[in-house]
Amino acid sequence: AQKVTQAQTEISVVEKEDVTLDCVYETRDTTYYLFWYKQPPSGELVFLIRRNSFDEQNEISGRYSWNFQKSTSSFNFTITASQVVDSAVYFCALSEAYNNNDMRFGAGTRLTVKP
Amino acid sequence: GAVVSQHPSRVICKSGTSVKIECRSLDFQATTMFWYRQFPKKSLMLMATSNEGSKATYEQGVEKDKFLINHASLTLSTLTVTSAHPEDSSFYICSARMGRGRSTDTQYFGPGTRLTVL
Repeated sequence: AQKVTQAQTEISVVEKEDVTLDCVYETRDTTYYLFWYKQPPSGELVFLIRRNSFDEQNEISGRYSWNFQKSTSSFNFTITASQVVDSAVYFCALSEAYNNNDMRFGAGTRLTVKP
Repeated sequence: GAVVSQHPSRVICKSGTSVKIECRSLDFQATTMFWYRQFPKKSLMLMATSNEGSKATYEQGVEKDKFLINHASLTLSTLTVTSAHPEDSSFYICSARMGRGRSTDTQYFGPGTRLTVL
């Protein structure tokens, strides 16, 4: 069965520091999608990125970047020059092509960015 | 685009009453909607998958008679918590899947509904 592990429960950094959130996944499928979502204190999940299993190119979007490494089954997320507004819980998720409908979330990493 | 709304955002009810939560995709049609439950400081747990015009598929351990799901149209799914008890208090989040309904299309989430049962 698919599984997503976010080993870092909580991370605290000072503003302007870079921070990397780890995500390790397990799947039997060769076709799958990985996601990152942000959940600010308001509770709403904000979609950040979707990456398919055939595309290992790293992606950068402003201060956000993602490193997908199939060899280590990891999909890590880095925030550069963190800001207080980045404080939130971040979830990594996996969806398998053969397992229709099922998206599994990691436990989440609570990021606190202090001024 | 890809906006999903939920109503109400917060509800407090007495034990034994039923509560209905609505989930709407505002700017797209969603053949599939999902209902999740999130306990404090925990991850999202999928409760059920709702397909328009058919019965919902419930995850193991989720009581279908307690959590009634109706997906009457391509833009609306409802979750009714029947005879609510304090242990049903939780944060309920819906999501809607864009695209042609493929399993790996992105899910967009609603803002959630915080249910408190007294």
